[in-house]
Amino acid sequence: DIQMTQSPSSLSASVGDRVTITCRASQSLSSYLNWYQHKPGKAPKFLIYGASTLQSGVPSRFSGSGSGTDYTLTISSLQPDDFATYYCQQTYSTPLTFGGGTRVEIK
Amino acid sequence: EVQLVESGGGLVKPGGSLRLSCAASRFIFSNYNMNWVRQAPGKGLEWVSSISSTSTYIFYADSVKGRFTISRDNAKNSLYLQMNSLGAEDTAVYYCARVGYSGYGDYFDYWGQGTLVTVSS
Repeated sequence: DIQMTQSPSSLSASVGDRVTITCRASQSLSSYLNWYQHKPGKAPKFLIYGASTLQSGVPSRFSGSGSGTDYTLTISSLQPDDFATYYCQQTYSTPLTFGGGTRVEIK
Repeated sequence: EVQLVESGGGLVKPGGSLRLSCAASRFIFSNYNMNWVRQAPGKGLEWVSSISSTSTYIFYADSVKGRFTISRDNAKNSLYLQMNSLGAEDTAVYYCARVGYSGYGDYFDYWGQGTLVTVSS
């Protein structure tokens, strides 16, 4: 099984800050990497697929990059609506696995 | 917009069974692969099971294999998860999710709000 390790597990940031979240896989994913945003009590929201392609309707302040085993999600200027937990997910092979999540909190 | 509504959660005793349902609307359900994903209290997301559009391909996480059964009824636009031999470790919010596909594999583009399953005596 492919293990997904996210870092940090949590961070505190202010509105307007640039935020970067890292996801490392135990083997190469060939960019089969997605990102999701999850708020308590809500349905998870799909943000990015193929490591770097934004889903339609996702604000351009979100971006993804990476290749091989290392990937990043960047929020260029954090907005109040962005405080949430973010998960990476590999779909290179079954079982599909998620990272442990990164909670983005208000500083 | 796409709508997915889970139901069937509740309190069940250890060793018991429960059947979750996911009602799909506003898209052609029979064209899409579907998944179940769960989140235990204070934990992250865990993929549970996948089913292809025609039920030809089915996959399970090791943690539920042999105990859970995924199925679908395309005529009723519904996805199901039969859960047997439940244990405390199965306590979680269960989400159904629709699968989209790109040149870089699947992604879960729409999710339901979830249904809570609590396993406790």
